[in-house]
Amino acid sequence: DIQMTQSPSTLSGSIGDRVTITCRASQSISSWLAWYQQKPGKAPQLLIYKASSLESGVPSRFSGSGSGTEFTLTISSLQPDDFATYYCQHYNNYIFSFGPGTKVDLK
Amino acid sequence: QVQLQQWGAGLLKPSETLSLTCAVYGGSFSGYYWSWIRQPPGKGLEWIGEINHSGSTNYSPSLKSRVTISLDTSMSQLSLRLSSATAADTAMYYCARVAVATNAFDIWGQGTMVIVSS
Repeated sequence: DIQMTQSPSTLSGSIGDRVTITCRASQSISSWLAWYQQKPGKAPQLLIYKASSLESGVPSRFSGSGSGTEFTLTISSLQPDDFATYYCQHYNNYIFSFGPGTKVDLK
Repeated sequence: QVQLQQWGAGLLKPSETLSLTCAVYGGSFSGYYWSWIRQPPGKGLEWIGEINHSGSTNYSPSLKSRVTISLDTSMSQLSLRLSSATAADTAMYYCARVAVATNAFDIWGQGTMVIVSS
């Protein structure tokens, strides 16, 4: 099974900061890599799919990149609405798996 | 605009069967896979399984022996049954649409909290 890890587990940032979250796979994976934002008490929301494609309606300050075993989600300028938990998700061979999550909070 | 509305029993005793339903409003059932995902309190997301419009299913290996996902195309509804529930199955359960072109969950239900307790 492919294992997904995320770092850091918690990230403290200030408004306007550029922040990066990393998702690593235990072996090289395809580009079926997505990123989600989840706020307390709410369902996750898709931000990025196929590693770098921005979902419709998602602000352009969110971007994704990467290939192989390492993928990143970048928020170019952290906004008050961005304090949340972020998950990566991979699809391979009819199985979906999620990373453990990264909580972004206010410094 | 596609919306997913889910419901089901929120409190179970150990060994009982968890049963949830998710209705798809405002869009086509075909051309997509439809998944169930759960999240224990304070923890991360776990994929349970999926089904497409023709009834083809895929399940998480760790839950496969206890899970059944089915659909009623006439009602545009999918269902989840998880047998022999234990306290470890206590979680928020979500249904979600899988866009086949992206293999990502682009639309989610509101979630149903299920507690397994004696």
